Amino acid sequence: AQTVTQSQPEMSVQEAETVTLSCTYDTSENNYYLFWYKQPPSRQMILVIRQEAYKQQNATENRFSVNFQKAAKSFSLKISDSQLGDTAMYFCAFMEYGNKLVFGAGTILRVKS
Amino acid sequence: DTAVSQTPKYLVTQMGNDKSIKCEQNLGHDTMYWYKQDSKKFLKIMFSYNNKELIINETVPNRFSPKSPDKAHLNLHINSLELGDSAVYFCASSQDVAQEAYEQYFGPGTRLTVT
Repeated sequence: AQTVTQSQPEMSVQEAETVTLSCTYDTSENNYYLFWYKQPPSRQMILVIRQEAYKQQNATENRFSVNFQKAAKSFSLKISDSQLGDTAMYFCAFMEYGNKLVFGAGTILRVKS
Repeated sequence: DTAVSQTPKYLVTQMGNDKSIKCEQNLGHDTMYWYKQDSKKFLKIMFSYNNKELIINETVPNRFSPKSPDKAHLNLHINSLELGDSAVYFCASSQDVAQEAYEQYFGPGTRLTVT
């Protein structure tokens, strides 16, 4: 079965600085999708960014970008110009057949003013 | 308009009771899901339905029974509630089960507390 590992339980960053959240995964599949979801204290799950495994180019969404290393099975999230509203739990997720999402354990990110 | 809605948002009940959580999506999606988030925030899929047909059934106690009356609704019924069922339950939907239509939209979650 596929597994997703987030090795950083908690991270802190100063407002306006850059932070990178790590994620590794294990799969034998060649075609798959990877996601980062944000869960603020409101507990709503919000899609931040997605990456198709067949695309070599790293996905970017405004201040959020990923570093996708397929051979290393690594999928890190970089948040630039961190804002107080970025404080949340961030989940890395892998999508396998049938649109089943497999989540990592999450990383709590605290943005400090 | 809310895309994926769940009722209730909070549910407090006693051990042994039977309860239901309702989920509705107005996105016209064909596939719906139930996820469970435990006290350590770990999220895991429980079920998914595509056009009212069960396609994913993880190792979930058979006290949990999903019901899909139509493709816009996926309800979760739980019999004989136990303390360990306390969690946040999320409903989600996506356009199709095919990987090309992969974005899942989540509801606001239902916090279930069993006392």
